[in-house]
Formats: sequence, structure tokens, C-alpha cells
Amino acid sequence: DSGVTQTPKHLITATGQRVTLRCSPRSGDLSVYWYQQSLDQGLQFLIQYYNGEERAKGNILERFSAQQFPDLHSELNLSSLELGDSALYFCASSLTWGNEQFFGPGTRLTVL
Amino acid sequence: AQSVTQLDSQVPVFEEAPVELRCNYSSSVSVYLFWYVQYPNQGLQLLLKYLSGSTLVKGINGFEAEFNKSQTSFHLRKPSVHISDTAEYFCAVSSPYGSGNTGKLIFGQGTTLQVKP
Repeated sequence: DSGVTQTPKHLITATGQRVTLRCSPRSGDLSVYWYQQSLDQGLQFLIQYYNGEERAKGNILERFSAQQFPDLHSELNLSSLELGDSALYFCASSLTWGNEQFFGPGTRLTVL
Repeated sequence: AQSVTQLDSQVPVFEEAPVELRCNYSSSVSVYLFWYVQYPNQGLQLLLKYLSGSTLVKGINGFEAEFNKSQTSFHLRKPSVHISDTAEYFCAVSSPYGSGNTGKLIFGQGTTLQVKP
């Protein structure tokens, strides 16, 4: 158990819908990262927050957004979903940047 | 920009045999290097990391890796594998704070280790 929790574990929805994925980092960790894992793209960095502020953006679509709340949990919002958004979404946390990242169990999103 | 290339997509090996999973990286700045393992239907677990110091790094479950700056490689090795080592292995690169990087990980495409009895 890494100490990072993600909910829900599985999510099945239809094209055009909007979903929210939730992540709680390890106690004391200030940095949260979101990654997408798909068969064709592999593991891709989406976005990073540090102590409530956005720090870095990767290959994140404009239909996707995220935020980190004062209690340091983070949410990834995916809207206008397409079939190609079906993937495993991981959250990871670290004390600060450059430190070891601890990964959550992931949320498997299936868009039908 | 940084990139990681894992040279083998699949590595089949018999139980108790040695194994090496190859990883090459590209970076214009100094690097941190990581190996993660992903068991079926699970998240990623850190095997080992190189931040600085000794180029030979020992990790969990008997794995080790050697950082070779001239070859830009970070190959993962285990002298004797078990059936339970069957999993997907990912090499990843990051950089120290202050070199334009915020700690995000750039992953390779992964190597599937298949340990046969």
C-alpha cells in the first residue's frame, strides 16, 4: 500500500459525458502528479500540482482539467469524453519535486 | 527534452535464470533515474532509484541497476528470477529541481518480463 488513494477504481460512462477522478496523496506529500496509461500512448504525464498551485503541464487535452484543494487532495476532471479517453489514470504524490513518487492504484475509465 | 527508450518490449526467461532489462535515456541536463514495476491490475511500485552517488543501485526484491553516464543507460538486472517477478517494468527519467524540471516522470514504453517454470 503506497498510501495514495484513488476513487473510483472503475468508471464506465458514455461518450460526451463528464467525470471526476479523485486522488488523496500520502500524508505530508505536497506534490500531486496525474498520469494516463493507454495501450497506444503508454504512460504519459498529464499535470502536476504543488501545494495547491499548478506547476507543470504535459500532454493534457483542453477537455481535461485538474485542481488541488487546500487539504491537498486533487481532482482530475474529464469532459466531452471520447472513446479514445478510455485508459488507466494514475495519481502519484511526492514530498516535493525530484523526490520519489508514490503511485495510487489507478482509476480505470471506460468510455462506451 | 528528455526521453527514455526501453530496448525490449518482451523478455522471456526461465525461472532461476539471470535477466537484464535495458533502458537508455536522453537528456540535456542531469538526471534522476527510476525503475518501477507494475503487476497485473495494480499501480506502479518503485524498485530502485538513482539520484546521485554510487552508480550501482540496489533495490527491492533482489534487483539492481547501474547508471552509465557515458552510455546514457540504466539497465536493470537480477541474478535469479522467480515466477513472481512476472510483470511490466518501466524505466523513467526526471531531473533535479532548478534545471527546468518540476519532477515529472518521463517513462519508457515498458518491458514485459515473462518468467517461465
